[in-house]
Amino acid sequence: GAGVSQSPRYKVAKRGQDVALRCDPISGHVSLFWYQQALGQGPEFLTYFQNEAQLDKSGLPSDRFFAERPEGSVSTLKIQRTQQEDSAVYLCASSLVARLASTGELFFGEGSRLTVL
Amino acid sequence: AQSVTQLDSQVPVFEEAPVELRCNYSSSVSVYLFWYVQYPNQGLQLLLKYLSGSTLVESINGFEAEFNKSQTSFHLRKPSVHISDTAEYFCAVSNTNAGKSTFGDGTTLTVKP
Repeated sequence: GAGVSQSPRYKVAKRGQDVALRCDPISGHVSLFWYQQALGQGPEFLTYFQNEAQLDKSGLPSDRFFAERPEGSVSTLKIQRTQQEDSAVYLCASSLVARLASTGELFFGEGSRLTVL
Repeated sequence: AQSVTQLDSQVPVFEEAPVELRCNYSSSVSVYLFWYVQYPNQGLQLLLKYLSGSTLVESINGFEAEFNKSQTSFHLRKPSVHISDTAEYFCAVSNTNAGKSTFGDGTTLTVKP
């Protein structure tokens, strides 16, 4: 597709359920990022892939959060045993090159809004 | 570590008035700076960026931002806003050696007729 695609756009989960959020980056983009955006706040970094390698996962808030990008294209963010504090919009972004700063541009998807009841 | 502070959470202005959205950052190393815009029901998109060279950078729709190293600021300005500029604006900073960007909490610009 022309842009970054995320699914589902909306997800309601009961506390304790596992969820999986999918990101299809722009074709050929090397770098892929996941961000978490709580209501009224800016995006907070979760994790970063360069192709299939997860180079930085320092932002993942707990071991309930897991991300993968096995073939260097589509990525999945999985949250196990969801809690109410996990409610947020999860943003995926991709970049053409390995070093973000060399182009300075992230292309964002529209996000997946997760509500945990 | 780096951080970004957007000093105004909401900025209401009338159409054709000038506007300034303020952004300050802190970092112990050299940085690149960005402004992203999020229109209603859309994803974030890059508005403009400062990587190096001229400290004044411009977007195609009339916004400009000036990198001020001594004041650690990257304020966004437009001399005359339109209704269509209504959106949320995010300032972001990236370490020149890192892959990730750190974002501010956003400023909601509302342009009224």
